[in-house]
Amino acid sequence: GENVEQHPSTLSVQEGDSAVIKCTYSDSASNYFPWYKQELGKGPQLIIDIRSNVGEKKDQRIAVTLNKTAKHFSLHITETQPEDSAVYFCAAYGGFQKLVFGTGTRLLVSP
Amino acid sequence: KAGVTQTPRYLIKTRGQQVTLSCSPISGHRSVSWYQQTPGQGLQFLFEYFSETQRNKGNFPGRFSGRQFSNSRSEMNVSTLELGDSALYLCASREGVGQETQYFGPGTRLLVL
Repeated sequence: GENVEQHPSTLSVQEGDSAVIKCTYSDSASNYFPWYKQELGKGPQLIIDIRSNVGEKKDQRIAVTLNKTAKHFSLHITETQPEDSAVYFCAAYGGFQKLVFGTGTRLLVSP
Repeated sequence: KAGVTQTPRYLIKTRGQQVTLSCSPISGHRSVSWYQQTPGQGLQFLFEYFSETQRNKGNFPGRFSGRQFSNSRSEMNVSTLELGDSALYLCASREGVGQETQYFGPGTRLLVL
């Protein structure tokens, strides 16, 4: 079945720096890759997603890139702010259209 | 549209009891998935329902069960609670069963004493 690996598990940056989180997946049939942000005490919130017919997608300070050949996709956050501190999850669809999640990255942005 | 809602938000039970959690999906969404989230295990898939039928099931014991009603609302039940069942239980909905966006509710935090 689908396996999604995510790294790093923790990431500490200074406010204003960029942050990059990387994921790899195993199922070549996957064609939709969402990223979720989870703040303390809340459910995961979709922040950006990408489909396999697109190599890059941007939304203000966040962007996602996808390399289908290498089966990896990445989240890029520029000009980080303290409110970006949260746990970020990548995901990909596997067999039976079941969404498989990475293990999460705890991002800490220090003022 | 209103988002995914879950009730109750917090719950305290004792070992051996049973619990029922409820999830109302986004209007028009027919698929509901349930996840267990613990600090050590991340997001673990429990099961998914579509049109009142269970489509997928994760690797959880039979004490975990669920159902979906004709209005797409879903419930999950855990019987004979164990301490290890303490977790955040998340519900997510999507329109159908393709590779679509899944939206999460706020979760129900269950503490088993």
